[in-house]
Amino acid sequence: DMKVTQMPRYLIKRMGENVLLECGQDMSHETMYWYRQDPGLGLQLIYISYDVDSNSEGDIPKGYRVSRKKREHFSLILDSAKTNQTSVYFCASRLQGDQDTQYFGPGTRLLVL
Amino acid sequence: QQKVQQSPESLIVPEGGMASLNCTSSDRNVDYFWWYRQHSGKSPKMLMSIFSNGEKEEGRFTVHLNKASLHTSLHIRDSQPSDSALYLCAASMRGNTGKLIFGLGTTLQVQP
Repeated sequence: DMKVTQMPRYLIKRMGENVLLECGQDMSHETMYWYRQDPGLGLQLIYISYDVDSNSEGDIPKGYRVSRKKREHFSLILDSAKTNQTSVYFCASRLQGDQDTQYFGPGTRLLVL
Repeated sequence: QQKVQQSPESLIVPEGGMASLNCTSSDRNVDYFWWYRQHSGKSPKMLMSIFSNGEKEEGRFTVHLNKASLHTSLHIRDSQPSDSALYLCAASMRGNTGKLIFGLGTTLQVQP
């Protein structure tokens, strides 16, 4: 069964604190993604990773950075979190073929106070 | 402007009825389409994919694709309350950048 995991599932931070969101997959997928989802704005791509240490900015990378040191693990880091980064964050993974399905993790609900 | 537009924004159908959802891209570089379903508080899950012109049926769900007009539609027959969810259309770009472009979705409510 294809599985993408995310930790933590819920997180409350104060403005200015650092945030680490973690994502794992057990499918040996080359490509991994970080999205955020906000009402009225839909799913917005933050970063895409094509493999270990091969990361590219998505549509809204400002204020975020990523790390991928192992194929099965992809981290999203918020240095000095801001209140407007309160959102639901989804990780996803996909094989590299252009007809391959993208699988989503369960999401992390982040509240920045 | 959203590159993938979905209509209607929301839809209410009676239990047992037919729900029809639409998705169009304004970008001629779009290649393949997916439909995802997202129940409230959950993550998107792939429902159906369609890559070539025509129709594809899986159980109560039918997807159509017209590549010339870059229009896809999802039809749910015999709708059930459990079908109530946000339906997201996603498209990939020719050249396999790995990126999917998502529409804002259609919220479907099936009333018992």
